[in-house]
Parts: sequence; structure tokens; C-alpha cells
Amino acid sequence: AQSVTQLGSHVSVSEGALVLLRCNYSSSVPPYLFWYVQYPNQGLQLLLKYTTGATLVKGINGFEAEFKKSETSFHLTKPSAHMSDAAEYFCAADFGNEKLTFGTGTRLTIIP
Amino acid sequence: EAGVVQSPRYKIIEKKQPVAFWCNPISGHNTLYWYRQNLGQGPELLIRYENEEAVDDSQLPKDRFSAERLKGVDSTLKIQPAELGDSAVYLCASSLVRAPNTGELFFGEGSRLTVL
Repeated sequence: AQSVTQLGSHVSVSEGALVLLRCNYSSSVPPYLFWYVQYPNQGLQLLLKYTTGATLVKGINGFEAEFKKSETSFHLTKPSAHMSDAAEYFCAADFGNEKLTFGTGTRLTIIP
Repeated sequence: EAGVVQSPRYKIIEKKQPVAFWCNPISGHNTLYWYRQNLGQGPELLIRYENEEAVDDSQLPKDRFSAERLKGVDSTLKIQPAELGDSAVYLCASSLVRAPNTGELFFGEGSRLTVL
């Protein structure tokens, strides 16, 4: 079955440290991939997306993600965490059926 | 530009009672989505509209859930009667073009339902 898996429901990093949020997909055909972020009391908003072309995708607020077909992964990274990055992050995929399948989310906490 | 507006933000009801959620999408967005997000889970699509037509309602529990999008703008999602398992956050989203692979979904803040 096609699915999206996010490893780690909670991730804590120190301010200024590397942020790494993991996302893997299960599908025989590579899907389109997305990262959404949900700040407290706000709706989900798109961080970045991979459809075709360059496998390293840059998004808003300094985040980027790399599509690795061999690893069926689309991990989200940011070199230096900021307090304002505290939020819940969702990886999502379109498996060709024009709807998003979301992972279970990862709550990111930034330690001062 | 105003974002996707949902109401109410919070609703607490007794089981077997009806409840309705309203969504006003971003002006000009002809695609509208209703998602349900259970605690600790990612959002799951309930129904997708292209203008006033429901083009994907395969995940909508039709025995108790109904939705409409009159005139291709605002939409209402109704549950009647509500069950304990319906407690969740109901998210509305809209997009200008057929998303997600070609466009971006814009989400509202959600309506949190608690069924007692």
C-alpha cells in the first residue's frame, strides 16, 4: 500500500543546531512530495515541494529537502534552528491520484 | 488577501447531536477540500470539490456525513448524528488550480470537534 512514514513524532534540537526531520514513502512509482508546516493556532502551509527536476529543493525559512529515490526518502533539513521554527511538520505525497497522503507529523521543539 | 476562513473554531456536542462546519475559501480558488485530522495523525481527505461538483468523495462516510458547496464558493460539512469517534479537527483547504501536484493547498485553521 502507498504510504508516508515520518520517523519520530517529537524532535528536539538546540537553537543553532541542525534540524533533520525524516520522511520515507512507500510506492513503486516515485510520488510528488511535499512538506507542510503548522505553527501553533495556524493552518498548514506549504514549506516546499518536489515534482520533477532537481532533487534538492529549497523552501521558505531556510528549509530544504532532498529527494532520494534509492532510499525512498524526502528528509527535511535546516542548517541552524531558530526558536521560530517550533511547529509541527507534515510530510505528504501525491501518488498520482491528485490527493495528498500525509504522514503522522513531527513536532519540532527548539531548546534555547 | 484573506486566507481560508473556517467556523466555528471549536465545537463541543453530545453524541447523536448534529453539527455543521463552514468554510470560505480564498477568493477565486475553484478547488476546495475537506480533511479530517485525528489526534496524533496526519490529515485525511474527506471530499474534494471542483467548483460545485464533488469530484472525490470516496472517503466521506456517507451514512452520517454530508457536504455541499453552493455556487462553487462557500462549503458546509455536516455530521448527523455525531459519534464519539468523530472527535477530530476538520480542515478546509482551497487551491487555485488542481492540486496538489501542480498547485499549493491553502489551509484554514480548522474546526476542532469534541463529541461527549
